[in-house]
Amino acid sequence: AQSVAQPEDQVNVAEGNPLTVKCTYSVSGNPYLFWYVQYPNRGLQFLLKYITGDNLVKGSYGFEAEFNKSQTSFHLKKPSALVSDSALYFCAVIGSGGGADGLTFGKGTHLIIQP
Amino acid sequence: DGGITQSPKYLFRKEGQNVTLSCEQNLNHDAMYWYRQDPGQGLRLIYYSQIVNDFQKGDIAEGYSVSREKKESFPLTVTSAQKNPTAFYLCASNTLGPGANTGELFFGEGSRLTVL
Repeated sequence: AQSVAQPEDQVNVAEGNPLTVKCTYSVSGNPYLFWYVQYPNRGLQFLLKYITGDNLVKGSYGFEAEFNKSQTSFHLKKPSALVSDSALYFCAVIGSGGGADGLTFGKGTHLIIQP
Repeated sequence: DGGITQSPKYLFRKEGQNVTLSCEQNLNHDAMYWYRQDPGQGLRLIYYSQIVNDFQKGDIAEGYSVSREKKESFPLTVTSAQKNPTAFYLCASNTLGPGANTGELFFGEGSRLTVL
């Protein structure tokens, strides 16, 4: 079975500072990893994904994520946070063998950027 | 523009009533999914479908039903058997690669159901 852990319910960062939202995973085979963002009462928006290749993946809105196979982690990062980055962030995984029921999501991390 | 349309955005229901949430996609995606979102619990899979006229139960299917009569449509019915139906419901879709389901999901804007 595949699983995702997001150990922090909430992350607080001052505007302009770097941010990190943590994610660890467990999956059979090679992982396909995703980050999504959700604003209040909206659907999830895709930010970035890791399939293969370079361990540092760049995505939308200046976000990036680093895949670390030995630590089974896929932390989301941004060099300089904006107040508009405040939202709920979800990490998701699926094994390279696929699975009919698709992605498994973490419980989400609330990111709060303080002015 | 291609996308996923969910309706209604907000829905109120009295206890004992069935309600149907609509989900339509024009992305030509094979697979469609319904998730339920509750605060602090992430997304939980209700039902999914990989092909027309076929669907499978997810982790929390009790009290829900679906149909997939057309590739574009995957409506969800919340029945009176669902004990705690108040939640935010999200529909999603993706393409299926050869022998694997590893594509990113595209989400609708969600439907918030409140039971009075």
